[in-house]
This record gives sequence, structure tokens and C-alpha cells, in this order.
Amino acid sequence: DSGVTQTPKHLITATGQRVTLRCSPRSGDLSVYWYQQSLDQGLQFLIQYYNGEERAKGNILERFSAQQFPDLHSELNLSSLELGDSALYFCASSTQYRALGTGELFFGEGSRLTVL
Amino acid sequence: AQTVTQSQPEMSVQEAETVTLSCTYDTSESDYYLFWYKQPPSRQMILVIRQEAYKQQNATENRFSVNFQKAAKSFSLKISDSQLGDAAMYFCAYRSAKGGATNKLIFGTGTLLAVQP
Repeated sequence: DSGVTQTPKHLITATGQRVTLRCSPRSGDLSVYWYQQSLDQGLQFLIQYYNGEERAKGNILERFSAQQFPDLHSELNLSSLELGDSALYFCASSTQYRALGTGELFFGEGSRLTVL
Repeated sequence: AQTVTQSQPEMSVQEAETVTLSCTYDTSESDYYLFWYKQPPSRQMILVIRQEAYKQQNATENRFSVNFQKAAKSFSLKISDSQLGDAAMYFCAYRSAKGGATNKLIFGTGTLLAVQP
């Protein structure tokens, strides 16, 4: 158990719809990262939040947005969904203290989104 | 920008044998981390082994070891005494340590490892 919780684990929806994926980081971690993994593909970095603020942005579509709340949980919002958005969406967290950590990111089990 | 390259899309090994997965990376930084993550069919991301760039000694975790060649920017993973449970996708990843521990992971495209009984 990585300590990172993602919900829902599975989600099936139709094109044009909007969904929200939720992530709770490990206790004490301020950084949250979102990654997208399409079928048989690698992990593509979408966006990072640090203590409520956007820290880094990757190849995130304009139809997607994210935020991190005061309790540090994060949500990834996907709108106007297309078939190509079907993927596994991972959330990860890490400690911000290098001296206390091992440098790794801890991953949740992912949210599998299927767009029909 | 940093990049990670895994040139072996697929590899196969016999049970109990040894296999080496290759990874190269490109960076102008001197302080960073390197990782190998395993993704079994369950799709969960599992850390296999980590290496800090300033440490010259190669990391080892039981049957897993790395060959870290900083000058060559190479970071290969050796799996000894391969087991059926080692069958998975393996991702090499880079993380800058610049500014502390708040940077993203950059992944390679992965190597799918099959273990033959």
C-alpha cells in the first residue's frame, strides 16, 4: 500500500461527458502529480501541484484541469471527453523534504477511464 | 529538457536466468535520481530500485541491481535468477533533484519483460 488513494478505480462514460478523478496523497506529502497512461503507452506527465499551487505543467489538454485543495487532496477534471481520453490516470505524491525522502514518487492504483 | 530512452521494447528470459534491461538518459544536471519501476498486469506502479547520482556505488535490492554509468548517462537494470513474477513492464525514470525534492518523474517508454518457464 503506497498510501496514495485514488477514486474511482473504474469509470465508464460517454463522449462529451465530464468526469472528476480524485486523489488523496500520502500523509504529509505536499506534492501531487497526475500522469496519463494510454493503452500500451508510457506514462505522460500532466500536471503537478505543490501545497495548493500549480507547480509544473506537462502535456495537459485544455479540456483537462486540476486543483489541489487545502486538505491537500487533488482532483483532475476531464471535460468534453473523447474516445482517445480512455486511459489509466495515475496520481502520485512525494515528500518535499529531500533529507527525509528517498526521491521516489508514490503512486496510487490509478483510475481507469473508459469513454464509449 | 531531460529525456529517458529505453531501446528494448520487449525482452524475454528463461526462468532462473539473468537479464539486463537498458536505459539511457540525457541531462545537463549533476544532481538527480534514477529509478526502475515495475508495472505488472495489475497496472500498479511498483518501485524496484533507485539510484542517487552523487552515489558512485551501484544500488542493489535482492535479485535486482543496476549498472550506473554517470559519464555515459546509462542506467541498466539486471535481474538475476528471474522468476515468473518478474514478468511485467519495466520503466526507467529520471527525476531532477534541483531545488529539492519537488520535481516530476520523467519516464522512458518501457520494456516488456516476459519470463519463460
